[in-house]
Amino acid sequence: SQKIEQNSEALNIQEGKTATLTCNYTNYSPAYLQWYRQDPGRGPVFLLLIRENEKEKRKERLKVTFDTTLKQSLFHITASQPADSATYLCAPGSGTYKYIFGTGTRLKVLA
Amino acid sequence: DSGVTQTPKHLITATGQRVTLRCSPRSGDLSVYWYQQSLDQGLQFLIHYYNGEERAKGNILERFSAQQFPDLHSELNLSSLELGDSALYFCASSVNSERQFFGPGTRLTVL
Repeated sequence: SQKIEQNSEALNIQEGKTATLTCNYTNYSPAYLQWYRQDPGRGPVFLLLIRENEKEKRKERLKVTFDTTLKQSLFHITASQPADSATYLCAPGSGTYKYIFGTGTRLKVLA
Repeated sequence: DSGVTQTPKHLITATGQRVTLRCSPRSGDLSVYWYQQSLDQGLQFLIHYYNGEERAKGNILERFSAQQFPDLHSELNLSSLELGDSALYFCASSVNSERQFFGPGTRLTVL
């Protein structure tokens, strides 16, 4: 069955550094991959979508890569700030599999 | 603010009871999705409606049902509630399956 792996351990980084989060998937070939941010007790918020024919996508301090050979996406936050502290979910999707979310990686940016 | 509204915000009820959660999608979105998120768990897809018709079902229990009305709002009915049903229930909407916009959630506590 389809499986998504995100680092379940929290990631602590110092303010100003680049945070890199990983999303690995197995047993399917998504046409796109989405990243969401979720704060405690709140609904996820869409951040970025990257398609299978795109290697990289950027939005302000965010950068996402998508390697369909490695079946992996990397999510980078540059110049991280304490306000970036949250859980980040990846969601590789396709026509058939569009409802699957990873369990998320908790990021804590230390001032 | 995602534009998706959910009511109520909190619901406390007893085992064996029945409750109804309500969701209004963003203006213009025809798709509504329901997800369950238990403590420290990932988002679990329950059901997807598109313009009033059921499009996909996830691991939704038989005690749970949903519908989408002509004005596109949706309701999730949970019956014969058990302690394990305590969770955050999110509704999301989208134009297509990409870029889902999540509501603030309903926190259900079953005592």
